[in-house]
Amino acid sequence: AQTVTQSQPEMSVQEAETVTLSCTYDTSENNYYLFWYKQPPSRQMILVIRQEAYKQQNATENRFSVNFQKAAKSFSLKISDSQLGDTAMYFCAFTYNTGANSKLTFGKGITLSVRP
Amino acid sequence: DTGVSQDPRHKITKRGQNVTFRCDPISEHNRLYWYRQTLGQGPEFLTYFQNEAQLEKSRLLSDRFSAERPKGSFSTLEIQRTEQGDSAMYLCASSFLGETQYFGPGTRLLVL
Repeated sequence: AQTVTQSQPEMSVQEAETVTLSCTYDTSENNYYLFWYKQPPSRQMILVIRQEAYKQQNATENRFSVNFQKAAKSFSLKISDSQLGDTAMYFCAFTYNTGANSKLTFGKGITLSVRP
Repeated sequence: DTGVSQDPRHKITKRGQNVTFRCDPISEHNRLYWYRQTLGQGPEFLTYFQNEAQLEKSRLLSDRFSAERPKGSFSTLEIQRTEQGDSAMYLCASSFLGETQYFGPGTRLLVL
């Protein structure tokens, strides 16, 4: 079974600076998908970024980018120019995304605080 | 396009009572998922439907839990004989086939 590990429970960053959130996962399969979700204090889970394992190019969405290291099974999220609205819990998640197995497996999450 | 909606947003019940939650997915999405999230933890998968068929159930889903999606649109999650350990946020998500899952606001359950 796949596992997702987020070893940093909390991080803090100054507004406008850059922060990197770490995630590692374990799987014996070759095809899968990785996600970062954001959950602000209001609790609605929002997709930040998605990465397909077969793609070598790292995904980017505006200020958010990932460093996907398939051999190392590492999937970190970099947030550039941090904003106060980035304060939230961030979850790394994994899925095989096949018909029989499309559930998301989440890490424990990391609480990110952006300081003004 | 409205997002995933869940009702109620909050539920307080006494131990031993039955509760039912509803999830309305994004209209064109044929997959619907239920997750449970306890404080400070990531969501844990409970079950999922493709159209009206329930394709997978987690071992977390005890016999007291049942989920339905009768017409392949909205879904209900019922918990019978609630226990204090059932207190959690219940999240619903939907997707179109293998595309990204989008989450609703959740139903927060407190069992006294």
